[in-house]
Amino acid sequence: GQQVMQIPQYQHVQEGEDFTTYCNSSTTLSNIQWYKQRPGGHPVFLIQLVKSGEVKKQKRLTFQFGEAKKNSSLHITATQTTDVGTYFCAGPGGDDYKLSFGAGTTVTVRA
Amino acid sequence: DAGITQSPRHKVTETGTPVTLRCHQTENHRYMYWYRQDPGHGLRLIHYSYGVKDTDKGEVSDGYSVSRSKTEDFLLTLESATSSQTSVYFCAISDPDSWKNTEAFFGQGTRLTVV
Repeated sequence: GQQVMQIPQYQHVQEGEDFTTYCNSSTTLSNIQWYKQRPGGHPVFLIQLVKSGEVKKQKRLTFQFGEAKKNSSLHITATQTTDVGTYFCAGPGGDDYKLSFGAGTTVTVRA
Repeated sequence: DAGITQSPRHKVTETGTPVTLRCHQTENHRYMYWYRQDPGHGLRLIHYSYGVKDTDKGEVSDGYSVSRSKTEDFLLTLESATSSQTSVYFCAISDPDSWKNTEAFFGQGTRLTVV
């Protein structure tokens, strides 16, 4: 079945620095979605990418969908303490809309 | 936030007892999902539903069953709880009308402890 893998599992970042987290799927995805979960909270939808090679920005967050639609990345610039949390990628695979999630990247920020 | 309510929010139960978790939505979304979240494993799909009485298994369905008799309710049952089922359970909903519109909305979660 479809597998979605994320690296790294943990990211410790100095406030103000940039970092990137990566998502790889074993199968081609119809789209890729990113979610953020704050500590003690529930996952919240951030963005969806649909087209091959698509790039979208949300303030300091840049999301990219790979040309083969099997990988994606999230780049955060000038990390702030508000960026703390776990970031998940997810994608529907196969012939229905069920979502498979990666294991997530948990981000901590050093002030 | 989307209208999703999970109940109970917290539960402690004994090994071998049956447990039912409820997810209720007011959004009339077609798809409903149950995930469990454990450290190091992210969100793993247990079961999902794509309509009333239409359900299918996810990647970690053993030991779990589900039912959806109404659009708004999706029940997750642990027939005989085991300690390995101690976890945080999330319900999610989505209403995809195309591959461009498949985002999910999550409930607040249920923390289940099996002792």
